[in-house]
Amino acid sequence: EVKLVQSGAETRQSGESLRVSCQASGYTFPTYWIVWVRQMPGRGLEWMGSIYPGDSDTRYSPSFQGQVTFSVEKSINTAYVQWNSLKASDTAMYFCARRLDGQQTTFDSWGQGTLVTVSS
Amino acid sequence: QSALTQPASVSGSPGQSITISCSGTRSDIESYKIVSWYQQKAGQVPKVVIQEGNKRPSGISTRFSASMSGNTASLTISGLQTDDEADYYCCAYVGSRTVVFGGGTKVTVL
Repeated sequence: EVKLVQSGAETRQSGESLRVSCQASGYTFPTYWIVWVRQMPGRGLEWMGSIYPGDSDTRYSPSFQGQVTFSVEKSINTAYVQWNSLKASDTAMYFCARRLDGQQTTFDSWGQGTLVTVSS
Repeated sequence: QSALTQPASVSGSPGQSITISCSGTRSDIESYKIVSWYQQKAGQVPKVVIQEGNKRPSGISTRFSASMSGNTASLTISGLQTDDEADYYCCAYVGSRTVVFGGGTKVTVL
């Protein structure tokens, strides 16, 4: 069974750093793209970007370029999204998802979401 | 960046059919024709209901179907059921290995 398990909810102050994890199991982690999706409170889904664990090839949405950094640790089948200096506007639920092989927009398995709360 | 436009809300009575539109541009939907659709029920994780090629993933009801014409993709839910109440999002490839979601449509079953 394919599973993505994300790290727990986090609360930070503006300006602090944060790393959220997404641990995969049940499939060959290096061979599927992982995408990150933001959902601000009461708002829609936003594609942040994607990373290919096999070679750490990344693609960022222009809206998130320079704001976050994606990385992976293949030895533990885990993908990360990191912020170096959080803002209150980063308060949101963040999802990781696996992108179906050979497709660009089909994300077939999702993590449970990580709620990030940033206070100013 | 490209924006995909969806109606904020659509409603229907049980048993009816509804259609949710997702309007893009000549540069995204019309050019690439790569779109998926997601359902997100309140407090839950999104779930794909239509994958690329207008295909239903395993386990998704045949009541869900999709189509594309020009720069607009559409999701149709036939035989509307109370369990279909959710937010629905289109997701399209817009080139340069980037993807964008539509703004979402809230479906209400009257």
